Amino acid sequence: GQQVMQIPQYQHVQEGEDFTTYCNSSTTLSNIQWYKQRPGGHPVFLIQLVKSGEVKKQKRLTFQFGEAKKNSSLHITATQTTDVGTYFCAGPLGNTGKLIFGQGTTLQVKP
Amino acid sequence: EAGVAQSPRYKIIEKRQSVAFWCNPISGHATLYWYQQILGQGPKLLIQFQNNGVVDDSQLPKDRFSAERLKGVDSTLKIQPAKLEDSAVYLCASSLGGQGYGYTFGSGTRLTVV
Repeated sequence: GQQVMQIPQYQHVQEGEDFTTYCNSSTTLSNIQWYKQRPGGHPVFLIQLVKSGEVKKQKRLTFQFGEAKKNSSLHITATQTTDVGTYFCAGPLGNTGKLIFGQGTTLQVKP
Repeated sequence: EAGVAQSPRYKIIEKRQSVAFWCNPISGHATLYWYQQILGQGPKLLIQFQNNGVVDDSQLPKDRFSAERLKGVDSTLKIQPAKLEDSAVYLCASSLGGQGYGYTFGSGTRLTVV
């Protein structure tokens, strides 16, 4: 079945360093969404990418959607302690609206 | 706007007991989802409703799990009887429906089965 995989599973960085998480799908996606889950919290929608090769920025966060629409990345520049949490990518299964989530990348930031 | 409401926040039960979770989605959101999130994993879809009808319940363990959304608004998810492996956070999410809309998740119910 369709799978969405993320690497790395964990990342520890020093505050101020950059961070990148990668997401790969076994099938072509119509769109990809990113969510952030703080420790003890629930997933919060960050952004959706739709177009092949699309790049979107939210302050220090840069999201990319691959040309083949099978992979995506999230890059955080100059991490802060507020960036701590688990970042999930999610893609729709087939033509339905339901999302398949990756296993997430957990980011720890040392002050 | 008000978020997705879920209750209870925490629940501890013994195995073989039953438990029910409640969800009130964002007003106007036709689509409602129940996800199970085991510690250290991504959310896994259990069931999807469109208004009061089930769109997809292929991942729902129907021998013990049931869910309903009778009036197309609130929803309940029930487990009977619970097993140890059901220990997880049960997340309810709603969206406007269809592709292209982000989900709004509730705070979840953390279930511990002992």
